[in-house]
Amino acid sequence: SQTIHQWPATLVQPVGSPLSLECTVEGTSNPNLYWYRQAAGRGLQLLFYSVGIGQISSEVPQNLSASRPQDRQFILSSKKLLLSDSGFYLCAWSQRLTYEQYFGPGTRLTVT
Amino acid sequence: AQRVTQPEKLLSVFKGAPVELKCNYSYSGSPELFWYVQYSRQRLQLLLRHISRESIKGFTADLNKGETSFHLKKPFAQEEDSAMYYCALRGTGANNLFFGTGTRLTVIP
Repeated sequence: SQTIHQWPATLVQPVGSPLSLECTVEGTSNPNLYWYRQAAGRGLQLLFYSVGIGQISSEVPQNLSASRPQDRQFILSSKKLLLSDSGFYLCAWSQRLTYEQYFGPGTRLTVT
Repeated sequence: AQRVTQPEKLLSVFKGAPVELKCNYSYSGSPELFWYVQYSRQRLQLLLRHISRESIKGFTADLNKGETSFHLKKPFAQEEDSAMYYCALRGTGANNLFFGTGTRLTVIP
């Protein structure tokens, strides 16, 4: 069966520090991969999605970037965190035919 | 442009009462609509999709193209229905979903 992992579960980082959040999927190949930010009052905001290795689409211009170095690995990064980057980050995957998205457990990021 | 609107951030109903979570969308083509749910301390997960035309956990949702709505309904709410509900839209040929801002449903015992 397919599973999706995210780490770390929680992270506290100072303003100006770098960020790297990792997401991996098991049990499937060539998935679509997604990064979302879930903020109170703003719902679920799509940040990036990828349909293949090295292919990244950005939905919202911001301080973050994403990379897909391997088929089932999706990384969310920042060179310098801002206070406004605090939030709950969700990774998800989907198969091309059904597009039903399966979500990871999320990472709670607090920028201090 | 695609847009999904959930006008209610919070909704409280008594156990056994009917519940309706509203979702309106804006899209020029033929969209695919979904409802996702997040129970306390669980992952966000798919509840139902309009093309399936099925009832899940007693919930149904009908796509009304005339009113551009996809409201989620259940005739008798249960305490275990308390959760965060998100409506989502996939445009024709799109790889991604657009989510609404969500409605937190609380079922009062």
